[in-house]
Amino acid sequence: GESVGLHLPTLSVQEGDNSIINCAYSNSASDYFIWYKQESGKGPQFIIDIRSNMDKRQGQRVTVLLNKTVKHLSLQIAATQPGDSAVYFCAESSKGAQKLVFGQGTRLTINP
Amino acid sequence: DTEVTQTPKHLVMGMTNKKSLKCEQHMGHRAMYWYKQKAKKPPELMFVYSYEKLSINESVPSRFSPECPNSSLLNLHLHALQPEDSALYLCASSQGFPTGGYEQYFGPGTRLTVT
Repeated sequence: GESVGLHLPTLSVQEGDNSIINCAYSNSASDYFIWYKQESGKGPQFIIDIRSNMDKRQGQRVTVLLNKTVKHLSLQIAATQPGDSAVYFCAESSKGAQKLVFGQGTRLTINP
Repeated sequence: DTEVTQTPKHLVMGMTNKKSLKCEQHMGHRAMYWYKQKAKKPPELMFVYSYEKLSINESVPSRFSPECPNSSLLNLHLHALQPEDSALYLCASSQGFPTGGYEQYFGPGTRLTVT
């Protein structure tokens, strides 16, 4: 079946450094991708999304890159702060689909 | 107001109990969702409602019964649950479906424990 997965289950970075969280997907029909942040005890929070007709999209301190050739998605967080500690999920949707398919998640921890 | 609210925050129930989870949004969203999330796992879709009608049931056991009384409310009725049903139950809503580029807004979840 189709799946969305992550290369690394955990990522530890120094405060102030940039973080890069990766995601691989297998569905060639995927046309919408989204990143969520989930802090302990809370629901997922929208970070940024991207359509398949784009390669890059920037938000505040975050950038999402999409490489459709190798079916790879990444989330870059600039100047990582302690408040960025959370589990990050990528998710995708196919054209015409009514649902999101979530990846397994990466736990980001920040070292002081 | 970009908030999805869920009640209760925590629920402990026995296997013979009947309880309900409630979800509310006032963003005018026409799609609403129930997800189940086990510890250290991603959310798993259970049900999708579109314009108050059930459009997706991800082969969820009948002991979970969703209901959408109106466009702002979504309920999940629970009956005869098993201990393995213990999880965080998340509600979400969106203006449209993901294929249209509409993100889902999640509530904080209800932490359910079945004893």
